[in-house]
Amino acid sequence: DAMVIQNPRYQVTQFGKPVTLSCSQTLNHNVMYWYQQKSSQAPKLLFHYYDKDFNNEADTPDNFQSRRPNTSFCFLDIRSPGLGDAAMYLCATSYFGGNQPQHFGDGTRLSIL
Amino acid sequence: DQQVKQNSPSLSVQEGRISILNCDYTNSMFDYFLWYKKYPAEGPTFLISISSIKDKNEDGRFTVFLNKSAKHLSLHIVPSQPGDSAVYFCAASVAGNMLTFGGGTRLMVKP
Repeated sequence: DAMVIQNPRYQVTQFGKPVTLSCSQTLNHNVMYWYQQKSSQAPKLLFHYYDKDFNNEADTPDNFQSRRPNTSFCFLDIRSPGLGDAAMYLCATSYFGGNQPQHFGDGTRLSIL
Repeated sequence: DQQVKQNSPSLSVQEGRISILNCDYTNSMFDYFLWYKKYPAEGPTFLISISSIKDKNEDGRFTVFLNKSAKHLSLHIVPSQPGDSAVYFCAASVAGNMLTFGGGTRLMVKP
């Protein structure tokens, strides 16, 4: 089945130690998104790629970076995680334009020690 | 400024009855609306959507209603089943682009 896969499902890192979360998709969608979700709040968009064009949300901290080496893969890098970065990180994909739903992976739950 | 709001954080319904989840929005430019269901430890799953040119869309037990003048949409689940217990997020977009999510409503369907 075509899907969005996130690895790892759970990640524990130390305060200030860089961490990378990964997302892959077999849907061949041209847009990939990264969201942060805390507790039971709404998912908050961090950034998205339209093909290789990177689009950062205005309030996304500089601590968060992303890479998309090809259509299928996208990475979220947190350079110096703080305690406030503990959250669920969700990757989503979609076709650009028209009314197309976003399809989400199961997320990576990040804990900071 | 929350452009999409789900004012009920939780809803409890008896199995077999109708569940009605509500969502309000403020941005009149929104023209595409979606509902997602989320189980614990899983990502949101797309459930149903509606374009602003329609006022109703139905898919099996799920129906979404859109009232543009009131800037309100609702999701009806009939009949409700215990497996429907989850957090439901409504979302809205302009021209099918970036989604703005509501805060979610936790639905509990009791056997």
